[in-house]
Amino acid sequence: DAMVIQNPRYQVTQFGKPVTLSCSQTLNHNVMYWYQQKSSQAPKLLFHYYDKDFNNEADTPDNFQSRRPNTSFCFLDIRSPGLGDAAMYLCATSRDTGRVTQYFGPGTRLLVL
Amino acid sequence: GDSVTQMEGPVTLSEEAFLTINCTYTATGYPSLFWYVQYPGEGLQLLLKATKADDKGSNKGFEATYRKETTSFHLEKGSVQVSDSAVYFCALSDGNTDKLIFGTGTRLQVFP
Repeated sequence: DAMVIQNPRYQVTQFGKPVTLSCSQTLNHNVMYWYQQKSSQAPKLLFHYYDKDFNNEADTPDNFQSRRPNTSFCFLDIRSPGLGDAAMYLCATSRDTGRVTQYFGPGTRLLVL
Repeated sequence: GDSVTQMEGPVTLSEEAFLTINCTYTATGYPSLFWYVQYPGEGLQLLLKATKADDKGSNKGFEATYRKETTSFHLEKGSVQVSDSAVYFCALSDGNTDKLIFGTGTRLQVFP
């Protein structure tokens, strides 16, 4: 019954070593989002895809990239992780944009050593 | 711009106590309003939502009513359980942007 799936749930990487986080969905939603959530804070939107159209938030660092090869999958690439990038990364989907509900995955907790 | 303001936590209650977590919003137009819950180490789960004024969202004993006149969407539960211990986020989405606007979250701790 899982609708938004994130793998892995926990990821450990080294300072400066590229890492990729994965998200898949079974809802056939048009929109997929990536959020970063640091401890005791609200989630912060990094970017989203509407179908194949990529929308980057103005304050998202260049170190963060994303790919959406098809409707079901979306990846978050961190090119050179720094200690400050340690966080929970949340994937979400919605049928459309605007006043719609977003459905979140369980998250991937990233640790940078 | 749009914003959501939540009461600061933690909120500490005994089991079976009444819960209120206040949420007010500022938005142009007519946003949809949401409460999400986040259990320790987990992602966000949609708890309830309301899409227009005077709508009441409800789920698992939690309720919230969309009050346009007071721009509020307060979360209530008549009798909390230990298993309700989590962080609760109030959020809105409008038709002008593609993002959810979150409050800062309120941690609820329920003790036996």
